Amino acid sequence: SQKIEQNSEALNIQEGKTATLTCNYTNYSPAYLQWYRQDPGRGPVFLLLIRENEKEKRKERLKVTFDTTLKQSLFHITASQPADSATYLCALDTSGTYKYIFGTGTRLKVLA
Amino acid sequence: GAVVSQHPSWVICKSGTSVKIECRSLDFQATTMFWYRQFPKQSLMLMATSNEGSKATYEQGVEKDKFLINHASLTLSTLTVTSAHPEDSSFYICSARVGVPTEQFFGPGTRLTVL
Repeated sequence: SQKIEQNSEALNIQEGKTATLTCNYTNYSPAYLQWYRQDPGRGPVFLLLIRENEKEKRKERLKVTFDTTLKQSLFHITASQPADSATYLCALDTSGTYKYIFGTGTRLKVLA
Repeated sequence: GAVVSQHPSWVICKSGTSVKIECRSLDFQATTMFWYRQFPKQSLMLMATSNEGSKATYEQGVEKDKFLINHASLTLSTLTVTSAHPEDSSFYICSARVGVPTEQFFGPGTRLTVL
């Protein structure tokens, strides 16, 4: 069956460190993968999109990698801050339909 | 730019009543709108994809007669939960997209509680 998995456990890190979140998928062949941030009781906010032919994408303190062989994407936040505390969701398009399916999300807490 | 609003932000209703939720793209015209529901501590589950002027496409397992979607214009889509029951209580979120494969812009969500 098709599955998108993210670390279900919350991730706690110290301020200033790099946070690394994982998104693994099975039985999909996405052409695009996106990362979103969601705060409690709010809708998700788009962060980054990466295409299947791109290995890495950066935006300010954020970096995303996409390994279609491993079927995995890594999301990094460098120099993390308490304001980065939120749930981060990965989403991938279902075989080029531009209809995105979301992972379970990972809750990140950056400790001051 | 790229703001999506939802109304109402929360609603409490009695079992058996119908509830309409509006989703508007405020500063852009959305080619496609999506409706999701989210249970506590779970991810977003896609319910349906809606294109302006055409019938919505529902995901497997979503009852189209229960969750009526109308996409009357490029800036407005509505979701009506008909004959709501307590198990329909959830957080409903819409999103809008311009073109492909761009990001989706999400609304703030609507918390529905059915008593």
